[in-house]
Order: sequence, then C-alpha cells, then structure tokens
Amino acid sequence: AQSVTQPDIHITVSEGASLELRCNYSYGATPYLFWYVQSPGQGLQLLLKYFSGDTLVQGIKGFEAEFKRSQSSFNLRKPSVHWSDAAEYFCAVGARNTGGFKTIFGAGTRLFVKA
Amino acid sequence: DAGVTQSPTHLIKTRGQQVTLRCSPISGHKSVSWYQQVLGQGPQFIFQYYEKEERGRGNFPDRFSARQFPNYSSELNVNALLLGDSALYLCASSINSGAVRETQYFGPGTRLLVL
Repeated sequence: AQSVTQPDIHITVSEGASLELRCNYSYGATPYLFWYVQSPGQGLQLLLKYFSGDTLVQGIKGFEAEFKRSQSSFNLRKPSVHWSDAAEYFCAVGARNTGGFKTIFGAGTRLFVKA
Repeated sequence: DAGVTQSPTHLIKTRGQQVTLRCSPISGHKSVSWYQQVLGQGPQFIFQYYEKEERGRGNFPDRFSARQFPNYSSELNVNALLLGDSALYLCASSINSGAVRETQYFGPGTRLLVL
C-alpha cells in the first residue's frame, strides 16, 4: 500500500541552526514526491517537488530535499532556520487513482524555532 | 492571479445536519480535489473531479458527495454530520486531469466544527 511516514511529530531548532525533516515513503512505482508547509490556520504551500533527474531538488524559501531511492527517503533540509519557518511540514507522494490521481500525505512534522 | 478560494472560512453545525462547502479553482485549472484534515493529522483524499466527472474517491462513506460545475468550481456535500466530521476541508486545483506529476495548489480551507 502507498504510504508516507514522517517519524518526527515535532522538532525544535534554534534560529540560525540547520534543519533536517525526515520522510520515508512506500510506493511501488516511480515516486512523485512533494514537501508542503502549512502555517497555523492556513492552507498548504508547495515547497518543492521531485519527479525525476537530479536527486537533490531546490525549493522556495531556501529549502532543499534529497531523494534516496535505496532508503525510500525524501528528507527536507535548510542550512539556517529563520523564526518565520515555524510551521507544520508535510511530505507527500503522488499516486494514481482510478481515472485520476491523488496525493497521499504524511502525518506532518511541527517545527518550533527558538530564539 | 487569484489562487484557490473556498467558502465559507468557518462553519459550525450540529450532528445530523447537512453542509455544503464551495471551492473555486485557479483560473484555467480544470481539476479539483477535496481533502479532509483532522486536527493533528495530514490531509486525507476525499474526491477528485475533472471536467465534471468524478475521477477518484477516497475511503469515505456515501454521506460525502461532490460535484463540479461547467465553470470548474466545485461543491462538497456532507450529510448526516457526525462529530468526527469536524476538520479542515481543503480544496486543491490542478491544470489538467492530473498526471501523477501534476502540482496541486491548495486553498486556505473551510474549518467545520460539528457539535
């Protein structure tokens, strides 16, 4: 079955420190992978996506993610966290549905940033 | 350009009532999907519509239904509301029927509280 696992429910980092959010997926075919961010009371904003090619993808707001097929992982990183990065982060995989498609989300990781 | 819009932003209903949520996709987008996000969890796929036809359905009871109009806007209906239907309902649009690699753009959501 297709699934996405985000092992960390919440993470706290100091402002200016580096960040890595973990994501593991289970999908039989070539995965189409996404990271979204959700600020309190807001919808989802796409940070980056991976479809094929270079396994290191760059996104908005200084985020990047690395696809590792051997580990079924798609971890999100940022070299220096800003207080405004505090939010909930969702890893997701695109999956075929009969006649269409759907996005399968992980449970999310809440990021806290301390001054 | 306007993004995905949803109405209303908040809604309070009582058990057993019916509710209709509305979504307008980004101009030029033909596909609309609905997701339910219960507090503390990732979004769960409910429906995808393309060209007024249902293209996919998630694991939700028949109390949930939807439709898409000729202008590509969409409504999600939930009958016989249960307390467990309390959630943020997200609408997402994409430009076509959705190859798996298509990017979905999310609206801010409608927060439904069932008392």
